[in-house]
Amino acid sequence: NAGVMQNPRHLVRRRGQEARLRCSPMKGHSHVYWYRQLPEEGLKFMVYLQKENIIDESGMPKERFSAEFPKEGPSILRIQQVVRGDSAAYFCASAPGESYGYTFGSGTRLTVV
Amino acid sequence: GENVEQHPSTLSVQEGDSAVIKCTYSDSASNYFPWYKQELGKRPQLIIDIRSNVGEKKDQRIAVTLNKTAKHFSLHITETQPEDSAVYFCAASKGGSQGNLIFGKGTKLSVKP
Repeated sequence: NAGVMQNPRHLVRRRGQEARLRCSPMKGHSHVYWYRQLPEEGLKFMVYLQKENIIDESGMPKERFSAEFPKEGPSILRIQQVVRGDSAAYFCASAPGESYGYTFGSGTRLTVV
Repeated sequence: GENVEQHPSTLSVQEGDSAVIKCTYSDSASNYFPWYKQELGKRPQLIIDIRSNVGEKKDQRIAVTLNKTAKHFSLHITETQPEDSAVYFCAASKGGSQGNLIFGKGTKLSVKP
C-alpha cells in the first residue's frame, strides 16, 4: 500500500496564477480531508470530501478555493489567482470511514512569488 | 468558535526522562482526540488516539489521558529517546464528527542524549 500520495511535493506559482494540488488516498479509503499548515503553526481544517460529495467545507475560504473528489481519480484542491498569503504546506489525509484516524500524505509546499 | 490550546510550546528533556504535553478544548461535543507527531519537513503521523468513552489509553511508552469534565487531555511519553524529538500536535473533533479536527499549535519536544 503506497500510502496517501500527494503531488507535486513543491509548487511555485506567481501571483495571479492557478495552483492545482492532487491527492490520491490510500487504497480502500473513501474519505479525504485537506488541511493547511503555516510555518510554526498547527494544521487548519479546510474541507472534508467523500467520493463526488463535499461533506464539510467550513474551513475553505469563500473565494478562489475549491475542492473535488471525483468518482475516478485523485482529489484536487484548486486555488485560483494565488496571492502571497496562500503560501503554505497543504496536507491531504484519508480514512476508510469517519470513525477512523487519518493517514496524512507528505504534503504540497506551495510558494507564491 | 471551537478552540484547542496546547502547552507547552517547547519542551526539552534529558534522555530517559518523561515528557508530558497538555491540551484543553472548548467544544463539549468533541468525542475524538488524536495525537500526531511531525518531524521536520515530514507529514504528521498518528501516534495514539482516544475516544470520549475512555479515560486512558496506553501503547508501549506512550499514554493519553482524557478528563471530559475538565475538557482536557494529555500525552505522556516515558523513557524518552532522541528519536522522540519532533513537534507533537493534539487535536479534538469538532462536535461528534471526526471529519473536522481542530488542532493545537504544537509542542516542539527536544530529547537530549
